[in-house]
Amino acid sequence: EVQLVESGGGLVQPGGSLRLSCAASGFTVSSNYMSWVRQAPGRGLEWVSVIYSGGSTYYADSVKGRFTTSRDNSKNTLYLQMNSLRAEDTAVYYCARGRPEVDWGQGTLVTVSS
Amino acid sequence: SSELTQDPAVSVALGQTVRITCQGDSLSSYYASWYQQKPGQAPLLVIYGKNNRPSGIPDRFSGSSSGNTASLTITGAQAEDEADYYCNSRDSGGDLVVFGGGTKLTVL
Repeated sequence: EVQLVESGGGLVQPGGSLRLSCAASGFTVSSNYMSWVRQAPGRGLEWVSVIYSGGSTYYADSVKGRFTTSRDNSKNTLYLQMNSLRAEDTAVYYCARGRPEVDWGQGTLVTVSS
Repeated sequence: SSELTQDPAVSVALGQTVRITCQGDSLSSYYASWYQQKPGQAPLLVIYGKNNRPSGIPDRFSGSSSGNTASLTITGAQAEDEADYYCNSRDSGGDLVVFGGGTKLTVL
């Protein structure tokens, strides 16, 4: 059974950093297209980033240069390193597997506030 | 980057048919995928590709596309179909992904 479990969310001050993790089971992260998608409170879904099985990464313009997606094959885990956080980054962050995104985690809430 | 446009809200009488649309330039090149999201839950993929349903999705859900418009049709809407529906697709460049703004479906 495929399972995705996000962690690492919390309250952070503007300008701060946070690293989200997405622990996967039931499949191999490095063999899959893996995405991060976020949802601000009361708002719609916003695509954030993707890492291809080959390792290429792409980012939404809103986070490019501030966020970095990576993976640890030994831990079968996906990461999202978020730097220079802004209030508008406040959202529930989901990791998802596949293209299209067929499996989703339950999300982790990131709140950027002073 | 590309944009996908959805109507903010749509309503349907119980048992009737409803179509939710998604418009965007990239849809002339790429298929849309459709996601259902209920309050407090993660999105659920309901339609992808030309008209494909993941395992477990009822066959009352179907998809279609014409030009730069993709549609999700629910034939015989049920109370449990009340949810937010989002489309997504690749952007015009092919590497990025874009979501529509979402459509809130109310089943009357």
